[in-house]
Amino acid sequence: DTGVSQDPRHKITKRGQNVTFRCDPISEHNRLYWYRQTLGQGPEFLTYFQNEAQLEKSRLLSDRFSAERPKGSFSTLEIQRTEQGDSAMYLCASSLRDIEDGLGFFGPGTRLTVL
Amino acid sequence: GESVGLHLPTLSVQEGDNSIINCAYSNSASDYFIWYKQESGKGPQFIIDIRSNMDKRQGQRVTVLLNKTVKHLSLQIAATQPGDSAVYFCAENAGFSGGYNKLIFGAGTRLAVHP
Repeated sequence: DTGVSQDPRHKITKRGQNVTFRCDPISEHNRLYWYRQTLGQGPEFLTYFQNEAQLEKSRLLSDRFSAERPKGSFSTLEIQRTEQGDSAMYLCASSLRDIEDGLGFFGPGTRLTVL
Repeated sequence: GESVGLHLPTLSVQEGDNSIINCAYSNSASDYFIWYKQESGKGPQFIIDIRSNMDKRQGQRVTVLLNKTVKHLSLQIAATQPGDSAVYFCAENAGFSGGYNKLIFGAGTRLAVHP
């Protein structure tokens, strides 16, 4: 257990439905990242926050995706009008500013299956 | 585009043998690399990192080698154990110079350790 938690761990939904995932980072970490991982592939960067500010978004994050971190603590990732191509593992990670040990703290992920 | 890839998708070794997992990267400006281990159903787990001003770094039973001339990275695991069975990813930190950790992952190598 790295200290980063994600909820739910698994989500099955029908195409067109909205889903929301939550990430609780390590409490003193001010940076939070979302990655997406499809089967057999490495994780792909989606977005990151420094405190409550969303500082970068990948082109992978279409307008159906929105991420928030309203109080600089937990974060949510919402996918609207889900598509089958959204099926993946959604990973959250956190780090301290200026950490020199790399991005070592990933959560267990939320596995999304869109039917 | 910039990418990090792996030469061997699957590696099978006998328990007690040494394992070598290889990785090629394409961005010659990258200055920081990380190896992760990912077990089924879990998020990536930090193993070891290396900066571009080094060519070798050792941890507990693991060694990372960096050859910047040919843009090649390897992870050596000594005395491989069944608990080492997992998928291993190398990752290139594309955002470190900006103070944050935007990682580009390769596709991964599955390590299978046989008794």
